[in-house]
Amino acid sequence: DIVMTQSPDSLAVSLGERATINCKSSQSVLYNSNNKNYLAWYQQKPGQPPKLLIYWASTRQSGVPDRFSGSGSGTDFTLTISSLQAEDVAVYYCQQYYFTPRTFGQGTKLEIK
Amino acid sequence: EVQLVDSGGGLVQPGGSLRLSCAASGFTFSNYWMTWVRQAPGKGLEWVANINQDGREKYYVDSVKGRFTISRDNAKNSLYLQMNSLTVEDTAIYYCAKDGYNDYWGQGTLVTVSS
Repeated sequence: DIVMTQSPDSLAVSLGERATINCKSSQSVLYNSNNKNYLAWYQQKPGQPPKLLIYWASTRQSGVPDRFSGSGSGTDFTLTISSLQAEDVAVYYCQQYYFTPRTFGQGTKLEIK
Repeated sequence: EVQLVDSGGGLVQPGGSLRLSCAASGFTFSNYWMTWVRQAPGKGLEWVANINQDGREKYYVDSVKGRFTISRDNAKNSLYLQMNSLTVEDTAIYYCAKDGYNDYWGQGTLVTVSS
């Protein structure tokens, strides 16, 4: 199975500052035939289901603020929040959907410093 | 508007069974792979199973193989998860979602396995 490893496990950032979360997969999730990385990012707030933020590693889901961006390819990926807002406090997960079983990272808890 | 409504959770004893349902609306259900994802209390997300459009391809995480069965009824726009031989480790909120990148999720249904 593909192991997804996020870093850090938790992160405290000041309002207006940049937050960066990393995700590493144990195998490449880049499909060479279409040059797409099968990697998604989700945000989960307490008591709510996860919300899709980014898919294909860098495509922002409709309605997601442009302060959220995704980058990376192959095995190494990054979610960046350019200017942290209070409503961004949540747990963030990466997920690969290239292989079955689909697998998630362990989550990164983002808080306000 | 796309909606996924999960139901069927509850309290069950170890060794018992439960059938979860997910009612889909707002999209052409029969065109999509569907999936179940679970989240144990205070823990992360765990993919459980998925099923293709006509129900002939099904895949499971190792920990539920032989105990859980995913199915669908495209005429009813519904997804199911039959869970047998439940253990305390199966205690979780279960979410249905469109497979692949999960752009739509149900609200979740809580399954508690306890004596």
